[in-house]
Amino acid sequence: AQSVTQLGSHVSVSEGALVLLRCNYSSSVPPYLFWYVQYPNQGLQLLLKYTSAATLVKGINGFEAEFKKSETSFHLTKPSAHMSDAAEYFCAVTPGGGFQKLVFGTGTRLLVSP
Amino acid sequence: GAGVSQSPSNKVTEKGKDVELRCDPISGHTALYWYRQSLGQGLEFLIYFQGNSAPDKSGLPSDRFSAERTGGSVSTLTIQRTQQEDSAVYLCASSLSSDSWNTEAFFGQGTRLTVV
Repeated sequence: AQSVTQLGSHVSVSEGALVLLRCNYSSSVPPYLFWYVQYPNQGLQLLLKYTSAATLVKGINGFEAEFKKSETSFHLTKPSAHMSDAAEYFCAVTPGGGFQKLVFGTGTRLLVSP
Repeated sequence: GAGVSQSPSNKVTEKGKDVELRCDPISGHTALYWYRQSLGQGLEFLIYFQGNSAPDKSGLPSDRFSAERTGGSVSTLTIQRTQQEDSAVYLCASSLSSDSWNTEAFFGQGTRLTVV
């Protein structure tokens, strides 16, 4: 079975600071991993995905994530936060070999202060 | 349409009433998923349809919940005898296929259900 743990329900950063959102996964098979972003009153938008190709994945809006099998992690980073990055971020996992039902973490709300 | 469309966007219902939530997936998408997002919790998988295969209903929380997908397109999630704990945002997503690694799920904006 697959599961995802997101450490920190809220993360606060200053504009221009590094963003680091943590995600650890558990999977009995090679996983596919995803980060989604949800802006207020909107649906989820895919930021990036890992599907067993390159371990460093670049996504939209300057975000990237690195798959580290030894640490079972897929942390999301961005070098410099913008005010517009304030949103809720969800990490998700699905068993490799096909895009089946996603198992989501509980989400991390990113707060960006001026 | 251009994206996944869900209706209504908001629904307030009395405890004990039945509700139907509708999802129009992106045209041509064979896979359709329903998730529930409760306050302070993550997204909970409910049910998933892939083409003409039997749906995966493993996430439905009780037999009050059911879903169907007509003609491989529009889906309806029905909740019978609603309870206050059913209050949540119900999200629908669709993808080209669940068989390919090179696909992604596109989400609708959700239906916010409030049971009073």
